[in-house]
Amino acid sequence: KNQVEQSPQSLIILEGKNCTLQCNYTVSPFSNLRWYKQDTGRGPVSLTIMTFSENTKSNGRYTATLDADTKQSSLHITASQLSDSASYICVVTPLSGGSYIPTFGRGTSLIVHP
Amino acid sequence: DAGVTQSPTHLIKTRGQQVTLRCSPKSGHDTVSWYQQALGQGPQFIFQYYEEEERQRGNFPDRFSGHQFPNYSSELNVNALLLGDSALYLCASSVMADPANYGYTFGSGTRLTVV
Repeated sequence: KNQVEQSPQSLIILEGKNCTLQCNYTVSPFSNLRWYKQDTGRGPVSLTIMTFSENTKSNGRYTATLDADTKQSSLHITASQLSDSASYICVVTPLSGGSYIPTFGRGTSLIVHP
Repeated sequence: DAGVTQSPTHLIKTRGQQVTLRCSPKSGHDTVSWYQQALGQGPQFIFQYYEEEERQRGNFPDRFSGHQFPNYSSELNVNALLLGDSALYLCASSVMADPANYGYTFGSGTRLTVV
């Protein structure tokens, strides 16, 4: 069964600090891995997308890394801002069986305090 | 270029009632997928529509049904509502010719509360 596990479940940091969120997956083979940001009560917004052959992808203060050998990805947030408070979801799209339905992690809830 | 539009944004229903949620996909997209997201959980796949047919379905009972119209918009219907159906319902649109879903785009969701 395809699974995506994220850690930590929740994280509290001070404004201006950096943080790293983790994602472990069993989906294989996969087409792409995406990190989404979801504000409370809103739909997820894509931050980064990486294919299986990419190791890193940046979007402003967000940098995602991918290690396809260990099936791990991380999302690093630099110089956090209050607006970074949200849930961050790791999503993996499979590449087999005619099913391209993405598999979602449960998300990491990030709270940035002033 | 409009993104994915969902309506209504909020809805309160009573147990046993029926509800219809609506989704207009992003311009150029022909595929619509529906998700249920309970509080504190990741989105759970309900079903996907393409060419006005249900193509794939997740582990949801038959109380959940859908429809896609010729203009690619879609509806999600839930019958005999239960308290446990309270959730954020998300619609995502994509292009079937893009199987890697690079263009997968979500709407803002409909918050359904069943009382």
